[in-house]
Amino acid sequence: EAGVTQFPSHSVIEKGQTVTLRCDPISGHDNLYWYRRVMGKEIKFLLHFVKESKQDESGMPNNRFLAERTGGTYSTLKVQPAELEDSGVYFCASSPLGPSSGNTIYFGEGSWLTVV
Amino acid sequence: GENVGLHLPTLSVQEGDNSIINCAYSNSASDYFIWYKQESGKGPQFIIDIRSNMDKRQGQRVTVLLNKTVKHLSLQIAATQPGDSAVYFCAEISGGSYIPTFGRGTSLIVHP
Repeated sequence: EAGVTQFPSHSVIEKGQTVTLRCDPISGHDNLYWYRRVMGKEIKFLLHFVKESKQDESGMPNNRFLAERTGGTYSTLKVQPAELEDSGVYFCASSPLGPSSGNTIYFGEGSWLTVV
Repeated sequence: GENVGLHLPTLSVQEGDNSIINCAYSNSASDYFIWYKQESGKGPQFIIDIRSNMDKRQGQRVTVLLNKTVKHLSLQIAATQPGDSAVYFCAEISGGSYIPTFGRGTSLIVHP
């Protein structure tokens, strides 16, 4: 069974450009999460989808970030326009419907974004 | 705001030693804790978890201890191996929430 997959794995863009990150969760997982880790710091929550609905987007830093989950399948996270402080690793995770437990939350390998 | 944090950002040990990674939390409503391991170039992977009605849980070579009185969590790794080198994160989930909240992470370096 395929795990959580993320694309691209690495991206280098210039300040002011747009980048779209994609996450394909594990098939059948209704919960989908986006997190971000800035170098040397904690992994910070960005938002949470249940199917196609945004349940919690309290962690989204500002309106330059837009997340979508069309049809409750894959999700995209767009940063427009990108700023230097957006650099970091963006992790996607998925889990089956219901309260989370550690062994049912699966993380992707991350999309490493560098804004120059 | 309430958060989950770590005392030591880097821990260096010799192969074969036991490692202890610590985590402090401040949210008294937290009732479920998870330790994750993140290897270079990979996403966080589940290691072990513990619920607040327990104070100790053991896995294969790993033990998690929970002290609710002082809001402290630790991960003990026995006979540390080079393959254990990674960043370790504690995370908490409170009261039926769906969302793990992570701390800063500790980098474990194992010297052969």
